[in-house]
Amino acid sequence: GIQVEQSPPDLILQEGANSTLRCNFSDSVNNLQWFHQNPWGQLINLFYIPSGTKQNGRLSATTVATERYSLLYISSSQTTDSGVYFCAVLYSGGGADGLTFGKGTHLIIQP
Amino acid sequence: DADVTQTPRNRITKTGKRIMLECSQTKGHDRMYWYRQDPGLGLRLIYYSFDVKDINKGEISDGYSVSRQAQAKFSLSLESAIPNQTALYFCATSDHAGTGIHEQYFGPGTRLTVT
Repeated sequence: GIQVEQSPPDLILQEGANSTLRCNFSDSVNNLQWFHQNPWGQLINLFYIPSGTKQNGRLSATTVATERYSLLYISSSQTTDSGVYFCAVLYSGGGADGLTFGKGTHLIIQP
Repeated sequence: DADVTQTPRNRITKTGKRIMLECSQTKGHDRMYWYRQDPGLGLRLIYYSFDVKDINKGEISDGYSVSRQAQAKFSLSLESAIPNQTALYFCATSDHAGTGIHEQYFGPGTRLTVT
């Protein structure tokens, strides 16, 4: 099946810092989503971005589908940005319809 | 009100018991999914359903069964719970009505502990 690798696995930053999270995937995709899992376990949709660039406030994302990677940018980090960030993809070649998730990047923002 | 709801939100049960997790959605989506998350890992697909009459196994369906009672309702059952089924369970929906958009929306999760 399709492989999804996220880096770095862990990241500790001071409040106000910027960060870039990376997602590499092994095959063509119909869907790529970024999620934030908060400390209570809830998954929050950040971006639906199978290709191109999107921005939402301090967050932006870019997917280069031809090169099979996506980047999530967080600017001016706040403590509420802490949590785990997941990249998930839907393989475009058929088979099971569910998303394949990476193992996540655990982000800690210190005050 | 939340578009995708799950009940219960937390449950502790004993080995060998039957348990049902329920999911309801008000988004009008045709597709529904069940995933589980183990500590330190991403989510893995258990079952998915394209509509009421179409149910498919995912990556880790052994030990689970599902029922799509209506377009808006999708239940996950553990017939005889075992401790390694302790996990966080998520329901999700997506809309494939010819839009070409495959975005999935997740419920708040059910934390299940099997003792």
